[in-house]
Amino acid sequence: EDKVVQSPLSLVVHEGDTVTLNCSYEVTNFRSLLWYKQEKKAPTFLFMLTSSGIEKKSGRLSSILDKKELSSILNITATQTGDSAIYLCAVEVYPQTSGSRLTFGEGTQLTVNP
Amino acid sequence: DTAVSQTPKYLVTQMGNDKSIKCEQNLGHDTMYWYKQDSKKFLKIMFSYNNKELIINETVPNRFSPKSPDKAHLNLHINSLELGDSAVYFCASSQPGLAGGKRGELFFGEGSRLTVL
Repeated sequence: EDKVVQSPLSLVVHEGDTVTLNCSYEVTNFRSLLWYKQEKKAPTFLFMLTSSGIEKKSGRLSSILDKKELSSILNITATQTGDSAIYLCAVEVYPQTSGSRLTFGEGTQLTVNP
Repeated sequence: DTAVSQTPKYLVTQMGNDKSIKCEQNLGHDTMYWYKQDSKKFLKIMFSYNNKELIINETVPNRFSPKSPDKAHLNLHINSLELGDSAVYFCASSQPGLAGGKRGELFFGEGSRLTVL
C-alpha cells in the first residue's frame, strides 16, 4: 500500500523563525510530489516536484525533492503568523490499472506565534 | 466565481439517514474526485471520475455511491449513515496534461462537514 509520512506532526515557532517540514514516501508508480497548504477550509496548491535536486521557490517558501532518499522538504524562512496552517504533502502515483491519484500524508500543523 | 463549489457546507444528521452532497466545477476539467478528511486531518481518496466515467473506486463501503451526470458535476450519496462517516468531504477537480496546468494539481472545494449523531 502506498504510504506518505510527514514530520513533525505539529510545530510551534515564533515569528521570524525558519522551519523545515519533512515528507517521506513509499509508493509504486511515482509521478510527482506536491505540497499543499490548508488553512481553515480547502487545501491550496504550493509546489509540484518531479525531478530530484531542483529547488522550487515561491517567496519565503521553497521545496526540494530527493528521489534517491524518497523524500522532500518544505522550507519556510522568516515565518509570519499568516503561515499558520496545516501543510500537506501528497504523492501522485499512476498505476496501470487506474487513473492518476494523490496519496496524502497526515500533514504538519504549523503554528506561528507573534 | 467559485471554481469548485460544494453544497451543503455543513450537514448534521442522525444515524441511519441517507444524505447527498453535491459538487460542481466551472474550470472545464475532465477529472473530479471525492476525498474524505477525518478528525486527524488525513485526506484519503474515495472516488475519481474522468469525463463521467468512474476510474478510481477505493475500498469504500457501498453505502457510498457517487454519480456524475456530466463532467462538471460529481455528487456523493450516502445511505444508512454511521457515526464513523462523520468527516469533512472534499470535492476536487484536475486537468492532467492541460497546457500551462500542473499535472496532479487538484483544485479543492471548501469541503462539506458531515456530523452523524
